Amino acid sequence: DAGVTQSPTHLIKTRGQHVTLRCSPISGHKSVSWYQQVLGQGPQFIFQYYEKEERGRGNFPDRFSARQFPNYSSELNVNALLLGDSALYLCASSFSSRQNNQPQHFGDGTRLSIL
Amino acid sequence: DQQVKQNSPSLSVQEGRISILNCDYTNSMFDYFLWYKKYPAEGPTFLISISSIKDKNEDGRFTVFLNKSAKHLSLHIVPSQPGDSAVYFCAAKGGGSNYKLTFGKGTLLTVNP
Repeated sequence: DAGVTQSPTHLIKTRGQHVTLRCSPISGHKSVSWYQQVLGQGPQFIFQYYEKEERGRGNFPDRFSARQFPNYSSELNVNALLLGDSALYLCASSFSSRQNNQPQHFGDGTRLSIL
Repeated sequence: DQQVKQNSPSLSVQEGRISILNCDYTNSMFDYFLWYKKYPAEGPTFLISISSIKDKNEDGRFTVFLNKSAKHLSLHIVPSQPGDSAVYFCAAKGGGSNYKLTFGKGTLLTVNP
């Protein structure tokens, strides 16, 4: 079975631009979460979506938004990019949002560089 | 405020020996703990988890121990292999949120042949 897939793998943008990152969860998984990982830190939670509804939001500005589609894939959008948005963006999926303490499984991420 | 702390940025062990990675947390409401391994240019890979109602969970060479009173967990890898060399992240869930994982900063494990 395919794991969590993310596209693109790498992206270079300039300040002020916007970006859309995409994620396809593991087949059968209905929950998708987004994390940002900067160098030397652990992943930081941005959003969780379950059944196309936002279930949680981390401490990120409104420039960050996301959505989940009927097929459970997801997009993360970032507007008005800043240099500090340069990071690895990780998508994780799990079967449900909170039941049974199921682990989240991560994709390989999108490396976003802001010039 | 770092709610999950991995105080050792790096650890070096000999092949065949035990690797012990440590993690401390501050939020007593965390009820589920996970360990992930990460190679460069790859996403974190789930290794093993433990619920707060247990104090030990084993999966092959990997064992996680949880000491709730000390708010401490550890990952034991026995025997260590060179392929285990990676960054290991401790993560926790709960504490008022049933969906968000809170990660430590990671520990770089190097297993020398």
